[in-house]
Amino acid sequence: KQEVTQIPAALSVPEGENLVLNCSFTDSAIYNLQWFRQDPGKGLTSLLLIQSSQREQTSGRLNASLDKSSGRSTLYIAASQPGDSATYLCAVWSASNYQLIWGAGTKLIIKP
Amino acid sequence: DADVTQTPRNRITKTGKRIMLECSQTKGHDRMYWYRQDPGLGLRLIYYSFDVKDINKGEISDGYSVSRQAQAKFSLSLESAIPNQTALYFCATSAAQGEGDTQYFGPGTRLTVL
Repeated sequence: KQEVTQIPAALSVPEGENLVLNCSFTDSAIYNLQWFRQDPGKGLTSLLLIQSSQREQTSGRLNASLDKSSGRSTLYIAASQPGDSATYLCAVWSASNYQLIWGAGTKLIIKP
Repeated sequence: DADVTQTPRNRITKTGKRIMLECSQTKGHDRMYWYRQDPGLGLRLIYYSFDVKDINKGEISDGYSVSRQAQAKFSLSLESAIPNQTALYFCATSAAQGEGDTQYFGPGTRLTVL
């Protein structure tokens, strides 16, 4: 059974720092890995999608990597800003049961 | 206007009551999903539908039922609510783009069962 783990559960850093969020998964049979952002009262927003054949994707200050063989992904946020404060969720599309399997998220706080 | 809307946004109900959560989308997507989110846990899939005539159980369908009234509407019902169904419920949609679609989420419904 696919399991997705995100470490740390919470992170607080000063504004301007570069930071890395981690995601690991137990079954390499995936179609893709997705990173989402969750803001209170606003639902979830897709940030980046990495296909299983890809190694990384970039969008602005965000860069996500995927190492399928080791079951790991990282989300790199450059030059963090207070507006980046949110919960970041990682999810993998399981090829076994064709569903998105979610991690519990990392709550990020950027201090001004 | 939001592409995926959910009503109500907040609901408090009592044990044993039947309630319905509604989801509407204007994205023109065929696929729709219902998830629940509990503190400290990832989202878990309750039901999903790939078109109007297709309904599938997800990981945690017991105690829930759904109705796909139209391409744009997908409702989730709790036939007899119980306290452990207190959670944040999300509706999502996706286009049929092959394997592993990007999903678009509504703002969520916070449900409390007393």
